[in-house]
Amino acid sequence: DSGVTQTPKHLITATGQRVTLRCSPRSGDLSVYWYQQSLDQGLQFLIQYYNGEERAKGNILERFSAQQFPDLHSELNLSSLELGDSALYFCASSVKGAVFADTQYFGPGTRLTVL
Amino acid sequence: GDSVTQMEGPVTLSEEAFLTINCTYTATGYPSLFWYVQYPGEGLQLLLKATKADDKGSNKGFEATYRKETTSFHLEKGSVQVSDSAVYFCALRFGTSYGKLTFGQGTILTVHP
Repeated sequence: DSGVTQTPKHLITATGQRVTLRCSPRSGDLSVYWYQQSLDQGLQFLIQYYNGEERAKGNILERFSAQQFPDLHSELNLSSLELGDSALYFCASSVKGAVFADTQYFGPGTRLTVL
Repeated sequence: GDSVTQMEGPVTLSEEAFLTINCTYTATGYPSLFWYVQYPGEGLQLLLKATKADDKGSNKGFEATYRKETTSFHLEKGSVQVSDSAVYFCALRFGTSYGKLTFGQGTILTVHP
């Protein structure tokens, strides 16, 4: 158990809908990262937050947004869902986030299926 | 851009066999290098890491050496067990890119008794 929790574990929805994925980082970790794992794209970095502020952005679609709240939990919002958004979404956390080899601890993931 | 290339899988071995999973990277500069493992139905776990050239990361019998001259970080284990069956990901990270980890495509390892 990494100490990172994600809810829900599974999510099934229809095209055009909007969903919210939630992540609670390990106690004391200030950085939260979101990754998408799909069969065709592999594991891709989406976005990073550090202590409530956006720090780095990867291949995140405009239909997707994220935020980190004062209690440090984070939410990833996916809207106007398409079939191709079906994937496993991982959250990771680390103590700082701007340190060269800061270890990222991954949650168990949320499996999103868009029908 | 930065990228990581892993050997094609899947890899199937018998218990106690020697394991090598190749990983090479393309990057401008000298990143930190990582191996993560994903067991069925679970998230990724850090297996080992190296932060500079010639560093050797090791954990649970697995080893990998950061080779700057060949831009490689191959994963090895002398004697695999059935419990090592998982997906292995090689990844790199730069300090200037904050937290972004760039992953290889993953290699599926299956170990038979």
